[in-house]
This record gives sequence, C-alpha cells and structure tokens, in this order.
Amino acid sequence: AQSVTQLDSQVPVFEEAPVELRCNYSSSVSVYLFWYVQYPNQGLQLLLKYLSGSTLVKGINGFEAEFNKSQTSFHLRKPSVHISDTAEYFCAGLPGGSEKLVFGKGTKLTVNP
Amino acid sequence: GAVVSQHPSRVICKSGTSVKIECRSLDFQATTMFWYRQFPKQSLMLMATSNEGSKATYEQGVEKDKFLINHASLTLSTLTVTSAHPEDSSFYICSARDGSTLGAQYFGPGTRLTVL
Repeated sequence: AQSVTQLDSQVPVFEEAPVELRCNYSSSVSVYLFWYVQYPNQGLQLLLKYLSGSTLVKGINGFEAEFNKSQTSFHLRKPSVHISDTAEYFCAGLPGGSEKLVFGKGTKLTVNP
Repeated sequence: GAVVSQHPSRVICKSGTSVKIECRSLDFQATTMFWYRQFPKQSLMLMATSNEGSKATYEQGVEKDKFLINHASLTLSTLTVTSAHPEDSSFYICSARDGSTLGAQYFGPGTRLTVL
C-alpha cells in the first residue's frame, strides 16, 4: 500500500533547540516527497520538496530535509527553532504516475519559551 | 509566485442552503485542482480532482451530487456544497498543480464552513 508515516503526532521543544520531525514512506510512494506547514486556520504552505538530485534539500524558514532511500525516510530538521515555528507539519509523497498526494497524519510542533 | 486564493475564508449558513467556494490560481495556470476536507486535528482528506474543462473525479465515499465541482478555466475551480447539513461543517482546502510533471501542489488558505 502507498503510505506516508509520521511517527510523532506531537513534538514539544524549547525555543532555540534543534528539532527533527520524522517521516517514512513506503517504497511505492517514493520518488517525490514534500513537507508542508499549516498554521492554525490556514492552508498548507510548501516548505520544501525532493524530486531528484541532492539528497539534502533546503527549504524556507531555515528548514531542511534529507532523503534517505535505504531507510525510506525524509526527516525534516531545523537547527534552532522559534516560537513562530509552532504549527502542524505534514509530510507527503507523490507516487509515480499519480497526481494525488499521499499525506501523513501530521506532526504538531509546539515551541515553548 | 504560485499563489492560490480561496473565497470566502469563512461562511455560516443555514441547514438546507447551498454554499459556493471559489479557488483561484493567481499567478499560474492550474491544469489540475484538488479539493480537500480537513476535520479538526486531522490530516487532509482528498475529496475530488478537477481538470479544466472536464468532469471532476471524486474519491470513494464522496457524494458527487452533494459536492458539485466546476473547473471552468485554468485559474478557477468552484466547490458547491448543496443542501448543506451540520455534518458538512468543516475546513475545506483547495490546491492547484502548476502543470509541470514534477510540480508540487500549492494550497489555498482554506474555507471554514459552519452549517447551523
């Protein structure tokens, strides 16, 4: 089955601490992977995407993600978070030949002062 | 670039009435648009895929006669919730694909529908 799994539903961290939000995908999803952020009562904003090439992808707001084919992972990282990073983060994959995104269930990141 | 707007952002209506939600791609042509529904603290549920000039493709379990989708141009798609009931209250989000084979979906800000 095509799936994207976000292992943590909630991640609390303190301001200025590093954070990693985990995402694993089934091999049938593979190929194209995305991270989106959703602030309360808003739509989703694209943080970054992996299509091909370098496995380390840099996105907006200081986020980056690493595509790891052997571990079928695409974890999102930020070296130092801010209060304003508090939001819901969704990992998504685009199966080859499909135009429908497969979403993970989301991870709620809460940055505390 | 890649901005998608939705209108209205919030709507409250009485049970039995119909509500139309517009989704526009402002700075690119969207060959494909998608409509999602999101319940509180949950992920997005794809309702339908809409291609310009053709009928929408609905996901299993989504009533096509209740959720009417029209993709009249490369920049506009509409979702009409017909004969709305309180259980239709939800957050509706559209997205648009920019036509590139490798393109990501760009999301609108969402519409909060409350049916009384």
